[in-house]
Amino acid sequence: QKEVEQDPGPLSVPEGAIVSLNCTYSNSAFQYFMWYRQYSRKGPELLMYTYSSGNKEDGRFTAQVDKSSKYISLFIRDSQPSDSATYLCAMIGGNKLTFGGGTRVLVKP
Amino acid sequence: KAGVTQTPRYLIKTRGQQVTLSCSPISGHRSVSWYQQTPGQGLQFLFEYFSETQRNKGNFPGRFSGRQFSNSRSEMNVSTLELGDSALYLCASSLVVTGGAADTQYFGPGTRLTVL
Repeated sequence: QKEVEQDPGPLSVPEGAIVSLNCTYSNSAFQYFMWYRQYSRKGPELLMYTYSSGNKEDGRFTAQVDKSSKYISLFIRDSQPSDSATYLCAMIGGNKLTFGGGTRVLVKP
Repeated sequence: KAGVTQTPRYLIKTRGQQVTLSCSPISGHRSVSWYQQTPGQGLQFLFEYFSETQRNKGNFPGRFSGRQFSNSRSEMNVSTLELGDSALYLCASSLVVTGGAADTQYFGPGTRLTVL
């Protein structure tokens, strides 16, 4: 069983909809939580970084962490076709960065 | 500020050969991490270097090795290439070693290695 589980998708939504992504994890040592976006043929780009349970907002993006349930989420409001990409959750614990498998998101105009 | 650069961007090798990939971190960043990305396994951590010392290592065979120079540039070497080594190899740099307070990792565009 992987330490970080993430539904691979694809997740297809119409433009303007809310995109909801999530990851579950099993390692209690994970302390820092991130979401990366990766476009085709590019390296991952950091979107959000949190280290405590609760919500964090940045523009159209909201990251949510629930350490008691070992569950993190990313919400994208007013989604745009340019949001079409693979979204990877990532976690730091034991001085290692561990990634989920990524969810492919397609926002249709 | 220039981002993380990786060379070459694309590489084709045959089984049994060896390959060296290069990564130049963001100016001022002293930590460089390497990852392998494949469709089946996703992003997997290879190793991390900080101040020319390997600080962390993932679960890869000894055929995968790396080093870091005094200017923080890093190289990754894979010897005796196998078909399964075909992947996107990503390098990421950060200010401090992973686990530190300011350890946001910034990724390069990757080197796509194809082993025939």
